[in-house]
Amino acid sequence: KAGVTQTPRYLIKTRGQQVTLSCSPISGHRSVSWYQQTPGQGLQFLFEYFSETQRNKGNFPGRFSGRQFSNSRSEMNVSTLELGDSALYLCASSLAQRGGTDTQYFGPGTRLTVL
Amino acid sequence: DAKTTQPPSMDCAEGRAANLPCNHSTISGNEYVYWYRQIHSQGPQYIIHGLKNNETNEMASLIITEDRKSSTLILPHATLRDTAVYYCIVRVAGRGGGADGLTFGKGTHLIIQP
Repeated sequence: KAGVTQTPRYLIKTRGQQVTLSCSPISGHRSVSWYQQTPGQGLQFLFEYFSETQRNKGNFPGRFSGRQFSNSRSEMNVSTLELGDSALYLCASSLAQRGGTDTQYFGPGTRLTVL
Repeated sequence: DAKTTQPPSMDCAEGRAANLPCNHSTISGNEYVYWYRQIHSQGPQYIIHGLKNNETNEMASLIITEDRKSSTLILPHATLRDTAVYYCIVRVAGRGGGADGLTFGKGTHLIIQP
């Protein structure tokens, strides 16, 4: 079974621009979570989508948003980019079955550089 | 989710067993212990998880103490490719649809020496 895929793998943007990152979960997985990883803050949870609805959200400003499509694929958007948004953005998917352990499996990440 | 404490770094000789400890003294009865690892600049890789019994899979073994306040991840025959940051995470699982965010600490940087 194919793993979690993320596109693009690398991205360079300038301050003030916006960016959209894409994530395709493992086939059959219904939950998609997004994380940001920076050297200073480590790995931090952004938000989680399940059945096209945002169910959980981390402590990030409203410039960070996302959505999930009916096929469980997800996108996240960052508007008005700041230098501090330079990071590795990771997507993780899980089955999200009731009563299951919801193990999350991560993609390779998108490396965003803001100049 | 309960907090975990891990040593910041460890060394292990290639071919030997690597034993990575994790303290989670405030773990609740419904919280699982998860282990992930991250090789430089790649996405975290799931290794293993458990509730109270010891677990083993093709990658590693997880030993959880009887009081569940600590655990040890064992890589039985470490190779150079096992050099990575290892994260121990405790979390409530199966909240009924949707996964809560994992809380990653700083982990243990395991260095396998040739």
